[in-house]
Amino acid sequence: TQLLEQSPQFLSIQEGENLTVYCNSSSVFSSLQWYRQEPGEGPVLLVTVVTGGEVKKLKRLTFQFGDARKDSSLHITAAQPGDTGLYLCAGRSSNTGKLIFGQGTTLQVKP
Amino acid sequence: NAGVTQTPKFQVLKTGQSMTLQCAQDMNHEYMSWYRQDPGMGLRLIHYSVGAGITDQGEVPNGYNVSRSTTEDFPLRLLSAAPSQTSVYFCASSYSFITYNSPLHFGNGTRLTVT
Repeated sequence: TQLLEQSPQFLSIQEGENLTVYCNSSSVFSSLQWYRQEPGEGPVLLVTVVTGGEVKKLKRLTFQFGDARKDSSLHITAAQPGDTGLYLCAGRSSNTGKLIFGQGTTLQVKP
Repeated sequence: NAGVTQTPKFQVLKTGQSMTLQCAQDMNHEYMSWYRQDPGMGLRLIHYSVGAGITDQGEVPNGYNVSRSTTEDFPLRLLSAAPSQTSVYFCASSYSFITYNSPLHFGNGTRLTVT
């Protein structure tokens, strides 16, 4: 069974701080997606990374796919209260094509 | 521009009762799926469908049935509810199952409590 381990599970920081969320596996993924979920809503896609070593930026968010396509990170610069939410990584299995989700990271940014 | 619509939003069942969670999408997506979300466990795939008339099991299919008679609808049936099925259920669809960058579009979830 392919697993995606996300860390940390919870993060509470002050506005303006930087943070990094990690998503790790022993398996290779053909692509990896990051989603953000707000209370009472479904997850919404932020980004998809496909190539090993790929870096994508979305305003203050930087996403990186590991060279071996087994891990990924999400870095937020100067976090704001509007960044508060649950962040989920999801890897697409090279074998089955199914999306496998990590456990999620709950981020709280205090003003 | 409805996207993925799930009903009901909340439901309370007694152990042994059955019910159907409804899911409809208006984006002509071929792939539809059901997930359950439990604290600390992320999203776990229950069942999925790659097109009308085709369904398959995910990670945690026991106690659930699905059917896909149309492209738009993908209902999830709980046959005999158990407290372990207390969870938030999400329906999600995407344009294609095999396209690597095809994002999942989620509904807003159904919060189910089984007493």
